[in-house]
Amino acid sequence: EIVLTQSPGTLSLSPGERATLSCRASQSVSSSYLAWYQQKPGQAPRLLIYGASSRATGIPDRFSASGSGTDFSLTISRLEPEDFAVYFCHQYGSSPPWTFGQGTKVEIK
Amino acid sequence: VQLLESGGGLVQPGGSLRLSCAASGFTFSTYAMNWVRQAPGKGLEWVSGISNSGGDTYYADSVKGRFTLSRDNSKNTVYLQMNSLRAEDTAVYYCAFSRGRPYWGQGTLVTVSS
Repeated sequence: EIVLTQSPGTLSLSPGERATLSCRASQSVSSSYLAWYQQKPGQAPRLLIYGASSRATGIPDRFSASGSGTDFSLTISRLEPEDFAVYFCHQYGSSPPWTFGQGTKVEIK
Repeated sequence: VQLLESGGGLVQPGGSLRLSCAASGFTFSTYAMNWVRQAPGKGLEWVSGISNSGGDTYYADSVKGRFTLSRDNSKNTVYLQMNSLRAEDTAVYYCAFSRGRPYWGQGTLVTVSS
């Protein structure tokens, strides 16, 4: 099973600042199968990024992601008020199980 | 693509519940299907997966022996039979699959409580 470890656990930033979130895998993940989600309280996860770097439909271009192998990152270039939420990484390779990071909370400083 | 979960609700510890996920908008029989859950205030946990034919099923250790995943490709539906439910099974349960990107339903809430 691939273990995904996200850091930091909490990121305290102000609107307009840049956020960089990390997701590290215990073994190599195919870049085709790494996703990032945003989740707000009471809502289902919202897909932001799939295939390590492809933005999902309707996702603003202030969200970008990169990485390969065991190290992946999500960057929010300029935080908007609606971006304060929890972010999860997810590997959805062809062989089960799917696994998820524990989440990074981006909170208003 | 649409995934519509149903069957959630309140059940007593030790009870059973069957969740359904009705799929549309894609060739259902081509894709493996999964269930993922999220307990209140917690992260996401993969629960179970089934191959496109239904011949192979996979389970998280936390549900192995209690949950059974099946599918009916003629009805474009996947079923999660949950037995011997425990308080720690309380969660929103999501049906999901991947076709280049992951697709998720909106979830159905299962509450295990007396």
